[in-house]
Amino acid sequence: SAVISQKPSRDICQRGTSLTIQCQVDSQVTMMFWYRQQPGQSLTLIATANQGSEATYESGFVIDKFPISRPNLTFSTLTVSNMSPEDSSIYLCSVGDRGLNEQYFGPGTRLTVT
Amino acid sequence: AQSVTQLDSHVSVSEGTPVLLRCNYSSSYSPSLFWYVQHPNKGLQLLLKYTSAATLVKGINGFEAEFKKSETSFHLTKPSAHMSDAAEYFCVVRTGTASKLTFGTGTRLQVTL
Repeated sequence: SAVISQKPSRDICQRGTSLTIQCQVDSQVTMMFWYRQQPGQSLTLIATANQGSEATYESGFVIDKFPISRPNLTFSTLTVSNMSPEDSSIYLCSVGDRGLNEQYFGPGTRLTVT
Repeated sequence: AQSVTQLDSHVSVSEGTPVLLRCNYSSSYSPSLFWYVQHPNKGLQLLLKYTSAATLVKGINGFEAEFKKSETSFHLTKPSAHMSDAAEYFCVVRTGTASKLTFGTGTRLQVTL
C-alpha cells in the first residue's frame, strides 16, 4: 500500500481567499485523485490529477475554482479558490495502484471557511 | 452509469452481536466493489474488495462481504461487534477499467455495551 500525507491537516480561512492543499505519496503512482467530503456527507470525486497534462474534472467542478497541479509522480496540489462557507469540507487525496484494484486515501484536510 | 445505495444511514448493535450493513449497487458492467471504514477524525481505510474472484470476500478486523449478482448486493457482515468497530462505513463501486470510484452515502455504525 501507499503512504499518503497531506498538508495542511486543517485550516480556517476567510471567504474570498484561496488555500492550496498538498498531497505527497511515498512511491510513484500513475493515478492521483482529489475528493471532497462535505459535512455529514459522502465523498465526491472532484478531479483526476494527470501527470504532465491538465486534470480531468467531474461534472460540477471547474478548473477556475479548483486548479490542480501534478508536477511529478509523487506529488499533487489542489487549490480551493475564492472560498465561500460552502467550501467548508474535508478534502482528500487518493492514489490508485498499478492495477487500479485499490485506492488509498490520505488523512484529509479539514477546511473551514468563515 | 454506476451507483451504490446504502440502505441504512445508521445502525446500532450491542457489543458481541452480529453486524449487517447493507449495500446494493447498480452497474452497466462487471463491477468492482469495496467497503471502506472511516473512524472519527481519521482517514479512510479499505476493509475489503471484490474484483470478480471469490464471491465471499474476507477483510480486515473480522469483516466479510458476499457479492450476490442476482440481488445486486454486497452486504458487509461481522459475527460479533466490538466497540472499536464504531465508525462510518462506505460501500463503493468501480465499473470496468475506469478509475472512478462512486461512494455510497455511508452507514454510521454505533456499538453499545
